[in-house]
Amino acid sequence: SYELTQPPSVSVSPGQTANITCSGDKLGDKYAYWYQQKPGQSPVLVIYQDNKRPSGIPERFSGSNSGNTATLTISGTQTMDEADYYCQAWDSSTVVFGGGTKLTVL
Amino acid sequence: QITLKESGPTLVKPTQTLTLTCSFSGFSLTTRGVGVGWFRQSPGKALEWLALIYWNDDNRYSPSLNSRLTITKDTSKNQVVLTMTNMDPVDTATYYCAHVPYSSTSNWFDPWGQGTLVTVSS
Repeated sequence: SYELTQPPSVSVSPGQTANITCSGDKLGDKYAYWYQQKPGQSPVLVIYQDNKRPSGIPERFSGSNSGNTATLTISGTQTMDEADYYCQAWDSSTVVFGGGTKLTVL
Repeated sequence: QITLKESGPTLVKPTQTLTLTCSFSGFSLTTRGVGVGWFRQSPGKALEWLALIYWNDDNRYSPSLNSRLTITKDTSKNQVVLTMTNMDPVDTATYYCAHVPYSSTSNWFDPWGQGTLVTVSS
C-alpha cells in the first residue's frame, strides 16, 4: 500500500519560515493536500492541489510538490500556526494520509 | 455556508455494530461531483480515511477496513450513514465526516464536521 512519510516534529521561531515535508513514491505525479489540526479541533484544509490556498487561508501558507516530496511552507510563522499538519494524496482511488507533523513555534 | 455534524453512540460494546450519521447543510449530494467522506483519529494518532460516497453512489472504502464498512446516503434528509461491524477497543476514536467539493481532476476534503468520540468498551 502507498505510504506518505512526514517528520514527527518541526520547530520554528516566530517570524521564521517553516518547511514541513511529505514523502512518497512519485508523489510529484499526484496532487498533494495539507490539513492543519489544532488541539481539540477538526482538521482544516490549508493547501489543495499542491499549491492552491482555500479562501480564508493566509498567504503565508504555500505548497510545492515535485519528485518524491511535497512541502508545506509557512512564511513568517506565527504562534497561531502551532498545530499538527497532515499531508494527503490519492493512490488507486483510495485516500492516504501522512503520519502528521507537530509544528512547534517557539 | 457548508456545515456537517456527526452523530451516533458515544459508547459501543465489543463485537457490536457502530452506526454513525453525518448530517449536512449548504450542499446537495445530488450535485454532480460532490461527495462525503468519513475519517477517524484514535487518541494521539494520525488521521485515517475510512470511506467515501459520491453523488452518483460511487463508493470507496479503505482497503484495510473494507470488509467492515458500509456507506450510504439519504439525499432527501441530507445525511450520510457509515456502519462499521465487529467493533473492537482499537476502534476507539473520534470519527469525522467531511465535504468533498466538485473537481474535474482530484478531490479534497473541506470543510470537516466537529467529530464525535466513540469509545469501544464492555
